[in-house]
Amino acid sequence: AQSVTQLGSHVSVSEGALVLLRCNYSSSVPPYLFWYVQYPNQGLQLLLKYTSAATLVKGINGFEAEFKKSETSFHLTKPSAHMSDAAEYFCAVSDRGYSTLTFGKGTMLLVSP
Amino acid sequence: DAGITQSPRHKVTETGTPVTLRCHQTENHRYMYWYRQDPGHGLRLIHYSYGVKDTDKGEVSDGYSVSRSKTEDFLLTLESATSSQTSVYFCAISDPGLAGFNEQFFGPGTRLTVL
Repeated sequence: AQSVTQLGSHVSVSEGALVLLRCNYSSSVPPYLFWYVQYPNQGLQLLLKYTSAATLVKGINGFEAEFKKSETSFHLTKPSAHMSDAAEYFCAVSDRGYSTLTFGKGTMLLVSP
Repeated sequence: DAGITQSPRHKVTETGTPVTLRCHQTENHRYMYWYRQDPGHGLRLIHYSYGVKDTDKGEVSDGYSVSRSKTEDFLLTLESATSSQTSVYFCAISDPGLAGFNEQFFGPGTRLTVL
């Protein structure tokens, strides 16, 4: 069964600092991988996705993630945090050919001035 | 934004009463999903549908039932609500056949409180 682990339920950074949110997955085959963002009192919005094209994936709002098969990781990064990045971020995995996603438990990103 | 609406957006009910939540889409996507979101648990799949009248259970299906009589509507029913079902419920849609992978689009959520 596939699973997703997000290391750290809360991550705090200063405005302008590097953002790194960690995601490790377990899957029997190379999966599809997704990062979603949730702002307060809203639904989830897709940030970026890995679907077996380039291993470095660029998303919206300056975020990117790199698929590393050897490390079974798909960490999310942004070079310089902005106050508006404060939100909860979810990593999700889908095995090829399956219709469901398995989500991690989420990481709350806190950005201080 | 994907055309997904959820109703009601907020509901307070009492233990033991039946509750039905509605998800409506205008995208003609084949798949629809119901999730619940709880602190420390992320999103957990309750039920999903892969076509009209075709549904399957997810990770946390006990105490919930679903129905899909039309492509655009997916109903989630709590037959007899319990306090443990207090949560935020999200509907999602996808069409893996079109996109080639399961990118899901989410509705705005329904906050349900069971007293």
